[in-house]
Amino acid sequence: DAEITQSPRHKITETGRQVTLACHQTWNHNNMFWYRQDLGHGLRLIHYSYGVHDTNKGEVSDGYSVSRSNTEDLPLTLESAASSQTSVYFCASSSRLDNEQFFGPGTRLTVL
Amino acid sequence: RKEVEQDPGPFNVPEGATVAFNCTYSNSASQSFFWYRQDCRKEPKLLMSVYSSGNEDGRFTAQLNRASQYISLLIRDSKLSDSATYLCVVRDDYKLSFGAGTTVTVRA
Repeated sequence: DAEITQSPRHKITETGRQVTLACHQTWNHNNMFWYRQDLGHGLRLIHYSYGVHDTNKGEVSDGYSVSRSNTEDLPLTLESAASSQTSVYFCASSSRLDNEQFFGPGTRLTVL
Repeated sequence: RKEVEQDPGPFNVPEGATVAFNCTYSNSASQSFFWYRQDCRKEPKLLMSVYSSGNEDGRFTAQLNRASQYISLLIRDSKLSDSATYLCVVRDDYKLSFGAGTTVTVRA
């Protein structure tokens, strides 16, 4: 069955370290998204991609970067992790922008 | 002002009860509306889309009021398995805006 996976599921890191969160989908969806979810806030869009080599900033992109070298993967990199980036990160994909987004299981990141 | 606002609840209801809650959105030009369900510490999943004329999916009824810019969800004959956080989601062009969620707990 097609699916979307994220790894690692849990990560503890230290302030200043570079961290990369993986997202992999097997639906062949063009559109992929990264969100963070914090208490009291809805999911907030970090970066998104409409296809290979396309990346765009979302509303909370500072301190994050993405690259899209193939259809299946959109890794999210925290260049220099900060405590404010402690959060749950969800990756999502969709076949069309007006279609349902399918979410991965999430990565819980703690920055100490 | 947040783009999508929801009453966080929690709504604690007995099995079999009806529970309803709303969300409001700020952009009058928003194009599509959805309710997603999120179980504790898990990923959000689409519950239902919300159409202008209102729509039902089994025990769930969604309504959209464009004039007042709010969306509602009603759950009839609540089951224990309905316990979850319900996210109101609004689409503007490519972008989905999520409310912080309304928590519903159904007790036996």
